[in-house]
Amino acid sequence: AAGVIQSPRHLIKEKRETATLKCYPIPRHDTVYWYQQGPGQDPQFLISFYEKMQSDKGSIPDRFSAQQFSDYHSELNMSSLELGDSALYFCASSHIYNEQFFGPGTRLTVL
Amino acid sequence: EDQVTQSPEALRLQEGESSSLNCSYTVSGLRGLFWYRQDPGKGPEFLFTLYSAGEEKEKERLKATLTKKESFLHITAPKPEDSATYLCAVRRGGSNYKLTFGKGTLLTVNP
Repeated sequence: AAGVIQSPRHLIKEKRETATLKCYPIPRHDTVYWYQQGPGQDPQFLISFYEKMQSDKGSIPDRFSAQQFSDYHSELNMSSLELGDSALYFCASSHIYNEQFFGPGTRLTVL
Repeated sequence: EDQVTQSPEALRLQEGESSSLNCSYTVSGLRGLFWYRQDPGKGPEFLFTLYSAGEEKEKERLKATLTKKESFLHITAPKPEDSATYLCAVRRGGSNYKLTFGKGTLLTVNP
């Protein structure tokens, strides 16, 4: 069965640089979610999109933005990166309110 | 604010030694309690969704149950490959999409 695809899998950036993370949801899923997981922490919700419209917003910094495109893939843009942004970033997808299926994650390291 | 508390934080079992993990929650209008399994550095893997008190679901050696205040994940005769972090998450009712996670239980099953 098709799963959520995330790219890149690993990303190394310098402080104050910009990063773009991509997510390709499971086919026919209409909702995409972004979560951040720091070392030893539980996943923290950042933002979600339903049918390409922002549907919910969590503790996402103003330096971050995201969107969902016409083909349903989503991108998380992160600017002015800080050391504290180093984490695993997961994308998940679902059919509206049903269970969320997570991708393998992007490990972001900010130096 | 939604709260999810998992216990114990860590559990070490011998192969074949059955046990239970606990997830206590406080949420306004529960619209789903979710169990995930997470291996180190990987995305959470969906296990179960429970919607109402009294509901039970089973999958191989795992059984999840739900009351109005907590959920249990029972592990029967575990094997070393069951070693992972088990995460519990809740979704609030209304137009809320995000999952609020607990900090997880790290399960280690020794051969």
